[in-house]
Amino acid sequence: DAGVIQSPRHEVTEMGQEVTLRCKPISGHNSLFWYRQTMMRGLELLIYFNNNVPIDDSGMPEDRFSAKMPNASFSTLKIQPSEPRDSAVYFCASSADSFTDTQYFGPGTRLTVL
Amino acid sequence: QQQVKQSPQSLIVQKGGISIINCAYENTAFDYFPWYQQFPGKGPALLIAIRPDVSEKKEGRFTISFNKSAKQFSLHIMDSQPGDSATYFCAASEAGGFKTIFGAGTRLFVKA
Repeated sequence: DAGVIQSPRHEVTEMGQEVTLRCKPISGHNSLFWYRQTMMRGLELLIYFNNNVPIDDSGMPEDRFSAKMPNASFSTLKIQPSEPRDSAVYFCASSADSFTDTQYFGPGTRLTVL
Repeated sequence: QQQVKQSPQSLIVQKGGISIINCAYENTAFDYFPWYQQFPGKGPALLIAIRPDVSEKKEGRFTISFNKSAKQFSLHIMDSQPGDSATYFCAASEAGGFKTIFGAGTRLFVKA
């Protein structure tokens, strides 16, 4: 298996622009997570899907952030409009079932908002 | 109560030495404690995990020690190697819960 796939790997954009990050989880995994990693705040869970349904989005920082999972093999995280403070590495992870199963992380998308 | 406190922030160890990273938690409902290893430019990867029904788990050079009464757990890396240089995160979650809480991370550097 190719593991969790994320695209793009790097994104540089101007403040105010829309940013869409993409994730393909490991085939057969039922749970998908979006995390944000910064030096200041460490690794933060943004949202968690189970069987394509958003279960907990309390970590989503603002209404500018939205996430979708239209099917079991694809998820997006959108930021509109983007701001410089959104600059971070965004990780997608998947697991076979619940939080007590191993989470497999993708390589991350490094987002820079100028 | 949801926090997992990790120390130290950074650690420098000589090759062949023992690296020790400590974590503490408050939520007694946590029942799964994984450690993740992250290399620069990569996502975190599960290293080893423990449940509170055992006090120690060993996998190769990596050992988790768990103290349920003190609500503390630690990672020991024996015979540390330069290839172990990475950031290590402890974490905790509860069965049926919706969140894995990560510690702040420890940057380990093993000197050759």
